[in-house]
Amino acid sequence: EAQVTQNPRYLITVTGKKLTVTCSQNMNHEYMSWYRQDPGLGLRQIYYSMNVEVTDKGDVPEGYKVSRKEKRNFPLILESPSPNQTSLYFCASSFQPGQGNSPLHFGNGTRLTVT
Amino acid sequence: AQSVTQLGSHVSVSEGALVLLRCNYSSSVPPYLFWYVQYPNQGLQLLLKYTTGATLVKGINGFEAEFKKSETSFHLTKPSAHMSDAAEYFCAVRRRGAQKLVFGQGTRLTINP
Repeated sequence: EAQVTQNPRYLITVTGKKLTVTCSQNMNHEYMSWYRQDPGLGLRQIYYSMNVEVTDKGDVPEGYKVSRKEKRNFPLILESPSPNQTSLYFCASSFQPGQGNSPLHFGNGTRLTVT
Repeated sequence: AQSVTQLGSHVSVSEGALVLLRCNYSSSVPPYLFWYVQYPNQGLQLLLKYTTGATLVKGINGFEAEFKKSETSFHLTKPSAHMSDAAEYFCAVRRRGAQKLVFGQGTRLTINP
């Protein structure tokens, strides 16, 4: 089954404790992206990757890191989480968005709470 | 910068009534347009998309949307609401040639029995 898999689904942590949210897709997509969803703000892009070893900042990259060493994986790293990073996170992938009509496929989300 | 506005953060309709969720975008050149649905505790699922061609687009679950260039709108409709349509709906746009999908704030649809 074609899918984007995120882990974990739920995560509670404390301020400053490094964490990684994994994302993997099995559709051979070149493009991958991370979004955070907050009430009243919709989804905002954190980072994206156009292909292996090519990553760039989205609209809200502060406090996050990503890597793209393999085509299928795109982990999101919080080196020193803070309470304002409490949110619902989504990983998404697609074929090259420059083709325009390629829709994003989303994972089921990771609900992160930082205390 | 590209922006998307969804009018109404909450919409409530009766079962069997018409569903109308509004979306307006700001762009001088028509972008690619998408509607996504998010059921509780799930990711976003594509309902339909407009790229070029016919302005009335049909999607899954009986939804459709009409691209109106003159009104810069892409409103989502369904003739008869079902209880299973209760969810949050997001309109999104992508400027031609760009990578980023820009989302509206979302509209939570409630269906009353």
